[in-house]
Amino acid sequence: QKEVEQNSGPLSVPEGAIASLNCTYSDRGSQSFFWYRQYSGKSPELIMSIYSNGDKEDGRFTAQLNKASQYVSLLIRDSQPSDSATYLCAFWGGNEKLTFGTGTRLTIIP
Amino acid sequence: GAVVSQHPSRVICKSGTSVKIECRSLDFQATTMFWYRQFPKQSLMLMATSNEGSKATYEQGVEKDKFLINHASLTLSTLTVTSAHPEDSSFYICSARDPGSGTIYFGEGSWLTVV
Repeated sequence: QKEVEQNSGPLSVPEGAIASLNCTYSDRGSQSFFWYRQYSGKSPELIMSIYSNGDKEDGRFTAQLNKASQYVSLLIRDSQPSDSATYLCAFWGGNEKLTFGTGTRLTIIP
Repeated sequence: GAVVSQHPSRVICKSGTSVKIECRSLDFQATTMFWYRQFPKQSLMLMATSNEGSKATYEQGVEKDKFLINHASLTLSTLTVTSAHPEDSSFYICSARDPGSGTIYFGEGSWLTVV
């Protein structure tokens, strides 16, 4: 089983709709979880960090964490064309490293 | 503004020469920084963990004599690609962990082209 499972997409969402990105992880010792956005040719940009079970909202973005189910998700409300990018989920594990999913390529259709 | 700064953003060097890339944490002291390499349309690949004041820890398959890492201060890590070859051309990205929040921030990345 891979450490982080993430649907690689591509995921297409109409402009203005909600984009839902999901990720599961295997390391039950993980405490810190992150969502990064990466545009083509650019480095990853932190969108959200989440450490506790439940929801965390920041503007149009909501991260959800369920440690019992080993599941973390990112919702993007009112999707904009500028949200089109690859989204990487990642967690900080007991090996003191950041482990990434393979990334989900999201396209917002005008 | 940027929390982690990387320089240069783009560099072209001749085959056989060495090139140095700098990574600075601007808002916090980072005892640990990380160096990644990414080829087009591929995932980030961790090359090494840079530890302030001690030797870097390299991932399996990464040549430590070719990719020299120096973490001389709590805000600066450098990656030197020695005797560069065209196959070393890639996007190199550093990251640093804020010990206060646990958040990991990435630098802007450095495009290396070896000709």
